Amino acid sequence: GENVEQHPSTLSVQEGDSAVIKCTYSDSASNYFPWYKQELGKGPQLIIDIRSNVGEKKDQRIAVTLNKTAKHFSLHITETQPEDSAVYFCAASWGSGGGADGLTFGKGTHLIIQP
Amino acid sequence: DAGVTQSPTHLIKTRGQHVTLRCSPISGHKSVSWYQQVLGQGPQFIFQYYEKEERGRGNFPDRFSARQFPNYSSELNVNALLLGDSALYLCASSGRGETQYFGPGTRLLVL
Repeated sequence: GENVEQHPSTLSVQEGDSAVIKCTYSDSASNYFPWYKQELGKGPQLIIDIRSNVGEKKDQRIAVTLNKTAKHFSLHITETQPEDSAVYFCAASWGSGGGADGLTFGKGTHLIIQP
Repeated sequence: DAGVTQSPTHLIKTRGQHVTLRCSPISGHKSVSWYQQVLGQGPQFIFQYYEKEERGRGNFPDRFSARQFPNYSSELNVNALLLGDSALYLCASSGRGETQYFGPGTRLLVL
């Protein structure tokens, strides 16, 4: 089955700086890669996603890049703000509706924004 | 519009008991997936249902079962609870595409 590795486990950046979180996946059949933000006591919230026919996607301060050859994808957050502090998860799947295997998640990155 | 709703929010059970968790998807969504999230880890896929049929199953024992109703709501059942079943149980709904939207989860504590 699919295996997703996520790094780093903890990332501390100064407010206003950029943050980058990286993930690798093992199954070349995976074609859908979402990123979720999870705040304490809440469920994961989708922040951006990318499909394998696209190399990069941007939404305001958030961008995701995908390298299918190397099987890795990254989340970039620019001009970080205190409300960006949370745990971020990458995930991978194939097919439609999440695929018959569902989403495979990384172990998460605890992003800390220092004032 | 209401998002994904789950009930109850918290639950305490003892080993060997049975538990039923409930989920209502976003209006118009026909697919529901269940995930288990142990503290400090990413969610792990348990089941996916679409149009009341099981479409996928993760690596969980037969003590875990689920079903989806005609109104697309879903139940997750866990029998013979173990201490290791203590976790946040998440429900996600999706429409026509791959995007899954998660509910707030049910936190289960097994004593």
